[in-house]
Amino acid sequence: DAGITQSPRYKITETGRQVTLMCHQTWSHSYMFWYRQDLGHGLRLIYYSAAADITDKGEVPDGYVVSRSKTENFPLTLESATRSQTSVYFCASEGLAASHEQFFGPGTRLTVL
Amino acid sequence: KNQVEQSPQSLIILEGKNCTLQCNYTVSPFSNLRWYKQDTGRGPVSLTIMTFSENTKSNGRYTATLDADTKQSSLHITASQLSDSASYICVVGEFFSGTYKYIFGTGTRLKVLA
Repeated sequence: DAGITQSPRYKITETGRQVTLMCHQTWSHSYMFWYRQDLGHGLRLIYYSAAADITDKGEVPDGYVVSRSKTENFPLTLESATRSQTSVYFCASEGLAASHEQFFGPGTRLTVL
Repeated sequence: KNQVEQSPQSLIILEGKNCTLQCNYTVSPFSNLRWYKQDTGRGPVSLTIMTFSENTKSNGRYTATLDADTKQSSLHITASQLSDSASYICVVGEFFSGTYKYIFGTGTRLKVLA
């Protein structure tokens, strides 16, 4: 399927467990992003990547790890999940067009018990 | 302190009516301002993107305006439809030397009633 997909869509885990959220895009966009969305906050940038093997921290990177070995994939790992990481996570991608339009995935709702 | 403030937080209007959503920002410098529509349970979808030099941008029944001097933007929705019920998010972004900084507002939740 064309576009940007995320998996799983819903995840429940326990404190201290490692969790990986997947993101896949089919446009070969250079830039990819991970955001979290919490009630009372706007979306906040966790990490982003300008290209394969190039990643950089966003506003709230603590407790998260990313990698980008292939252009189309950008997994986000919570190394030791905490309750404060309960949130909805969105992946987005953006090409090199001057418009800088970002395309968002459907989101992953993560609950940490 | 949130650098992007949106008002109102929520709004209810009748189908067919117009409405205007506001966005005030203090982010500086900035390279573009975006408006997104986010349906419940879905990711945001881009409506308009304006650079600092643009004053207005339209996308169908959606028209965004930008006043870079006063650091204000508005999104005007004409002849609202039930499908316009969603959250509308203002985003101010800076892109410089490959570095991104996007500040998202908390959104205005719009409900359109039949």
